[in-house]
Amino acid sequence: NAGVTQTPKFQVLKTGQSMTLQCAQDMNHEYMSWYRQDPGMGLRLIHYSVGAGITDQGEVPNGYNVSRSTTEDFPLRLLSAAPSQTSVYFCASSNSRNQPQHFGDGTRLSIL
Amino acid sequence: DQQVKQNSPSLSVQEGRISILNCDYTNSMFDYFLWYKKYPAEGPTFLISISSIKDKNEDGRFTVFLNKSAKHLSLHIVPSQPGDSAVYFCAARFTSGTYKYIFGTGTRLKVLA
Repeated sequence: NAGVTQTPKFQVLKTGQSMTLQCAQDMNHEYMSWYRQDPGMGLRLIHYSVGAGITDQGEVPNGYNVSRSTTEDFPLRLLSAAPSQTSVYFCASSNSRNQPQHFGDGTRLSIL
Repeated sequence: DQQVKQNSPSLSVQEGRISILNCDYTNSMFDYFLWYKKYPAEGPTFLISISSIKDKNEDGRFTVFLNKSAKHLSLHIVPSQPGDSAVYFCAARFTSGTYKYIFGTGTRLKVLA
């Protein structure tokens, strides 16, 4: 049972490059979210989706785009990477608003 | 403006004793609270939750207490085991039908054998 799968696990980018972080879940969950974790900051919500075709912004959405064309996938796009986006990114899903989230193991992203 | 605060970055406890992790929040619009545990190089895993209409929830060795008047949440682990050593995050969800969660900064628990 794969759960929430994030790829890649590690990535190094140069400033200005674009990239897509992949997130896929095999639990048929409607709700999915992207978080970033920075030292001393906990997890901060970037974007979330409550179903295919429906997305909304979280606390720190600037510099990131999302789309949700299928229930399974929720990719996160960095349009023009900046050093401030160096972080660990976590994707999460749940099958309803009132259920706890299942997290992937994260993508560690460094931007030089 | 940290709406969910975990003021203790770390905590050490002897095996078999009680671990108490604390969390304070400032926004009265939170209606659902959760605790997650995180090991290095892994994603957070759900531990226990509590609705704002309750003041206590138990699951085995884990109990969460909610004091709404003080805007305070605590997680009790009894007895503590070495495998409980991890970073613990509390999280709060906004009411009004949203799916927005705010996480605390985490407390690193070390259980000493």
